[in-house]
This record gives sequence, structure tokens and C-alpha cells, in this order.
Amino acid sequence: KAGVTQTPRYLIKTRGQQVTLSCSPISGHRSVSWYQQTPGQGLQFLFEYFSETQRNKGNFPGRFSGRQFSNSRSEMNVSTLELGDSALYLCASSSFGTGGGNEQFFGPGTRLTVL
Amino acid sequence: SQQGEEDPQALSIQEGENATMNCSYKTSINNLQWYRQNSGRGLVHLILIRSNEREKHSGRLRVTLDTSKKSSSLLITASRAADTASYFCATEESGNTPLVFGKGTRLSVIA
Repeated sequence: KAGVTQTPRYLIKTRGQQVTLSCSPISGHRSVSWYQQTPGQGLQFLFEYFSETQRNKGNFPGRFSGRQFSNSRSEMNVSTLELGDSALYLCASSSFGTGGGNEQFFGPGTRLTVL
Repeated sequence: SQQGEEDPQALSIQEGENATMNCSYKTSINNLQWYRQNSGRGLVHLILIRSNEREKHSGRLRVTLDTSKKSSSLLITASRAADTASYFCATEESGNTPLVFGKGTRLSVIA
């Protein structure tokens, strides 16, 4: 099976712009979770989608949003970018989502730089 | 917010030596997982230990869990240069709650 893919891999934006990141999960996986990784805060959970429904949401401002399509592919959007949004954004897929000890399979990440 | 705290933050050892990393957490958990991340890339799941288990092995990995002390340890035996990476513990509190990661231990294995 192909692994989790994320596009684009690298992105440079300026403050105030918006950005959309994409994640394609492993075939058959219905859950996609998004994480933000920064040197200062480490890995922070953004949200999880399961069968097109948001199941969990982390403590991030409303500028961060996401969605999941019927084919389980997911996108996350960040509007009005701030310098502090510079990070590695990781998505992870699993068969049944969080809870129950399901292994999360991570993509390679999208490195976002905000200037 | 961070649930797990890994210790040490960084560890440097010679090839062939054992590496031990510790993780402490704050709340009751269903399970604890360990992940590896090679520089700036995605995480790879290593091993999961449930709250009713005390020890688990997988190849050169040994994980212990002490729920009374809210701590876990990851032991990598006979380390190799390819083990150089950051290692994270992640806890799952209850059904349908997201994984909460610690800040990780950076392991350097010198050939």
C-alpha cells in the first residue's frame, strides 16, 4: 500500500496570506489527524476527521480549519497567516481513528515558512 | 498541551551501546505509544503498550510502563547509527481522544 502523502512538501508564504495543505491517507483509512510541530511547542494536535466529520479539535484559533472529502483525503487551511504559524504540519491516518490504540501512520509533512 | 515529558532531552552514545529514554505523563491513560522521527520528517510508530501491560518487546526495543508512577521507558539495545533520530512518547487517555505527544528525546548514535 502507498503511504500517507502530503502536498506540497515545502511552502513559503507571507504574513496575511492563506494556505491550504493536502493529505491523502493510506487506502482504506477513514481517519485523518493533523498536527503542528514547532521547536518550541513540539507536536500539537490540530484536529481529526473521521468519515468526513470532525471528531476532535485541538486548542488552535479559528484561523485553522480543515475538512475531509468522501475519498478520505483531507485538507487543512490556515487563513491570515502569522509568523508563528511557521512549522512542520504533519498528517496521520489510521483505520479507526484515535482511541482504542490504533496506530497512526504519518506523512512526511509540509514545511510552511511564513515571512 | 504536552502530556508526556521525555528525559533526557538529548542523548549521545556509541554504536553498540544501549539507549534508555524515559517518559512521564500526568493523567490516567488507555495506552502509551512510542514514535521515531528522523530529522524533519514524519513519525514512525514503534510500539504500543496498554495500561494493563507492564513490559513489551519488539526486536531491539523494550518498553516498560509503570502506571503508579505515570512513567514509561524505552530501551534500544545494541544501538546502530541508523537509530539516530528523535523519539517521542504519546499517550491516549480514553476512547476517541487524540494522541498527546511529549517533546521528545534526540538520540545520536556515533559510529
